Amino acid sequence: DIQLTQSPSFLSASVGDRVTITCRASQGISSYLAWFQQKPGKAPKLLIYAASTLQSGVPSRFSGSGSGTEFTVTISNLQPEDFATYFCQHLNSFPLTFGGGTRVEIK
Amino acid sequence: EVQLVESGGGLVQPGGSLRLSCVASGFTFTDYSMTWVRQTPGKGLEWVANINRDGSEKLYVDSVKGRFTISRDNAKTSLYLQMNSLRDEDTAMYYCATPRSYLSGRYYHDLWGRGTLVTVSS
Repeated sequence: DIQLTQSPSFLSASVGDRVTITCRASQGISSYLAWFQQKPGKAPKLLIYAASTLQSGVPSRFSGSGSGTEFTVTISNLQPEDFATYFCQHLNSFPLTFGGGTRVEIK
Repeated sequence: EVQLVESGGGLVQPGGSLRLSCVASGFTFTDYSMTWVRQTPGKGLEWVANINRDGSEKLYVDSVKGRFTISRDNAKTSLYLQMNSLRDEDTAMYYCATPRSYLSGRYYHDLWGRGTLVTVSS
């Protein structure tokens, strides 16, 4: 099974900051990676798919990059509504797996 | 409205059974595969099972093989998860999701339900 390791697991930042979260795959997954945002009590929300394609309706301050085994999601100009937990997920092959999550909190 | 609505969760004793349902609306159900994903505070998000559009192909995470069965009724635009021989570690929020966003050979899960909570405890 492909393991996804996210870092950091916790991030404290201020409104207006630029933050980057990394997701590393245990083997190459091409660009078959998605990023989700989850807020307490809510389902995950798709932000980015195919490593770098912004889902419709997602603000342009979110961006994704990477291929192979290393991927990042960057939030530029962090907004109050961006404080949440972020997960990566690969779709290279079954079983699909998720990263452990990165919790972004207000400093 | 485009949505997925899960139901059927609850408290069940170890060794017991539960059947989860997910009703889809607002999109062409038969165009997409369907997925169950679960989430626990300790283990995070875990893909549980997948079923293709006509129900002929089913895939499971190893930990539920032989105990859980995914199925769908396209006439009722509904997805199901029959869970037998439940264990403490099956306690989780269970989400149904469907991958409708397509790019370069893969479909990505862009629609999720709100989840239904399953608690396995004596």
